[in-house]
Amino acid sequence: NAGVMQNPRHLVRRRGQEARLRCSPMKGHSHVYWYRQLPEEGLKFMVYLQKENIIDESGMPKERFSAEFPKEGPSILRIQQVVRGDSAAYFCASSPLSSYNSPLHFGNGTRLTVT
Amino acid sequence: DAKTTQPNSMESNEEEPVHLPCNHSTISGTDYIHWYRQLPSQGPEYVIHGLTSNVNNRMASLAIAEDRKSSTLILHRATLRDAAVYYCILRDGPSNTGKLIFGQGTTLQVKP
Repeated sequence: NAGVMQNPRHLVRRRGQEARLRCSPMKGHSHVYWYRQLPEEGLKFMVYLQKENIIDESGMPKERFSAEFPKEGPSILRIQQVVRGDSAAYFCASSPLSSYNSPLHFGNGTRLTVT
Repeated sequence: DAKTTQPNSMESNEEEPVHLPCNHSTISGTDYIHWYRQLPSQGPEYVIHGLTSNVNNRMASLAIAEDRKSSTLILHRATLRDAAVYYCILRDGPSNTGKLIFGQGTTLQVKP
């Protein structure tokens, strides 16, 4: 059973460009979480989605960031007009349920560098 | 979300047991204690979780104090591959989001 797949593994963008990060959850998982880890800092929750619905986006910056998890296909985290401060590792996690008893399975992240 | 306190770093020798402490004095009755770890350049990995009773799995053991205000993750025989940042997280049982709130964790160094 393949784990959570994130691509690309590394992404370089110039300031002002758009970044699209993809996350394919584990088979049978309908809950997806996105986290950001700035250099030398901890993991910060961004957004929680179920298929076609955003459930909790309390950690998402109000501007330039958006996320979706369509009925078919991977979850996408989109960052418009990137700035240097967006350089970070972005991790996706999936779970079959949202309950306390259901561990999150993380991918190995996309490392975004903004030049 | 209830907070946890962990030492910033710990050292261990290879093949010796490691006890990683976590304080959570404001834990509520419905909070589960979860442990994750993050190896260098990888995403976090689930280790173990529990509510009141001690728990064992193939990776580690979790010892929970009787008053639940603290817990200890036990690695029975540390290997070099166990060098990672270990996160102790409280997860609300009735929560309908299931999100994890990570703190700074404990950086474990394992010496050969």
